[in-house]
Amino acid sequence: AQSVTQLGSHVSVSEGALVLLRCNYSSSVPPYLFWYVQYPNQGLQLLLKYTSAATLVKGINGFEAEFKKSETSFHLTKPSAHMSDAAEYFCAVSGIYNQGGKLIFGQGTELSVKP
Amino acid sequence: DTEVTQTPKHLVMGMTNKKSLKCEQHMGHRAMYWYKQKAKKPPELMFVYSYEKLSINESVPSRFSPECPNSSLLNLHLHALQPEDSALYLCASSQGSRGQSPLHFGNGTRLTVT
Repeated sequence: AQSVTQLGSHVSVSEGALVLLRCNYSSSVPPYLFWYVQYPNQGLQLLLKYTSAATLVKGINGFEAEFKKSETSFHLTKPSAHMSDAAEYFCAVSGIYNQGGKLIFGQGTELSVKP
Repeated sequence: DTEVTQTPKHLVMGMTNKKSLKCEQHMGHRAMYWYKQKAKKPPELMFVYSYEKLSINESVPSRFSPECPNSSLLNLHLHALQPEDSALYLCASSQGSRGQSPLHFGNGTRLTVT
């Protein structure tokens, strides 16, 4: 079975500060991990994905995430927050033997950016 | 701009109405999905089509009826819905239905059932 836990349903940072959104996963098979962002009244947009190549994954908009197997974590970071980063962020997991494209989402973290 | 197009953007329907949601992609993806999303919640999978065949139905009530006329189109037919079915309905596609293929989402249809 697979699951995802996002620590903190709401994170608030100041503009220019480090963004850290936490994601821990549970998977009995090698996982594929994804971060998606959702802006108000829009669908989900892929930020980055881990598919067993490099453990440090760079994504769009200056975001990156590091896969740490020993900690079963895939935290999302950005060195300097911008006002436009305010959105809902979802971590998701699927498996190498994934049945038909089933993606397991975390509960989401709402990021607020203060001026 | 999203590469998955959903129409309409908004839909208000009564409990006795019949309506359809439409989704289109031209990326050559062979897997297409319907998700339901309530406010402040993650998307919930409803249906998966792989190579135009229904491969997953997550025990969705029969008042929701999916259809995949061809590899680019996905419909969701709605009939006799309940107010609790009000939600954002998201369509997505992926290159395949293997786990490593990321999903590409449309902007959704905001459905209100009165």
